[in-house]
Amino acid sequence: DTGVSQDPRHKITKRGQNVTFRCDPISEHNRLYWYRQTLGQGPEFLTYFQNEAQLEKSRLLSDRFSAERPKGSFSTLEIQRTEQGDSAMYLCASSITGGQGGVETQYFGPGTRLLVL
Amino acid sequence: AQKITQTQPGMFVQEKEAVTLDCTYDTSDQSYGLFWYKQPSSGEMIFLIYQGSYDEQNATEGRYSLNFQKARKSANLVISASQLGDSAMYFCAMRERIYNQGGKLIFGQGTELSVKP
Repeated sequence: DTGVSQDPRHKITKRGQNVTFRCDPISEHNRLYWYRQTLGQGPEFLTYFQNEAQLEKSRLLSDRFSAERPKGSFSTLEIQRTEQGDSAMYLCASSITGGQGGVETQYFGPGTRLLVL
Repeated sequence: AQKITQTQPGMFVQEKEAVTLDCTYDTSDQSYGLFWYKQPSSGEMIFLIYQGSYDEQNATEGRYSLNFQKARKSANLVISASQLGDSAMYFCAMRERIYNQGGKLIFGQGTELSVKP
């Protein structure tokens, strides 16, 4: 299966530590998205890339958050000096320009569950 | 501003019966798309069905159909012949400027569907 993969699936860290998550999109997909989902809520957009260019960032993405997609393939999301409020599921999605009938559909990975103690 | 509203936090349906999950949306854009995703307890968001704002016919995908009423700004998901495996969270999402452009999805808060044997 060549779907979106994310690593790690679960992460427990102590407040103040840095964490980094990785996302590998579907191989031919040129767009990659990061979302955050807290308990009982729908996912909220964080940022997205087209190839290696970061095209949009949400105001949710504070200075402690940084995302990269250096070669236009996999992406990393780093959270510095984690806080308890960062505890959430971090979802990655990918899509391809054009898609079916000119409409792109975003396909999601399994997510990384972060718990900050 | 874009907004998705799902007013049913939880729904129950008997196995083999049909169920409708409600979704209303707000946008000032003319070109938009509406998506439904399923999220089992494992966490992965699974794409189910898509409806474009210019599509004249309601979308269907197997047991899933979308009851699109543009004037009412509603895009309800209908699941026919419910199965036990349909028990999950269901999210309605919208994206503006849908054709040939990338962009974030805006999600509703979700509806938890429970299928009873």
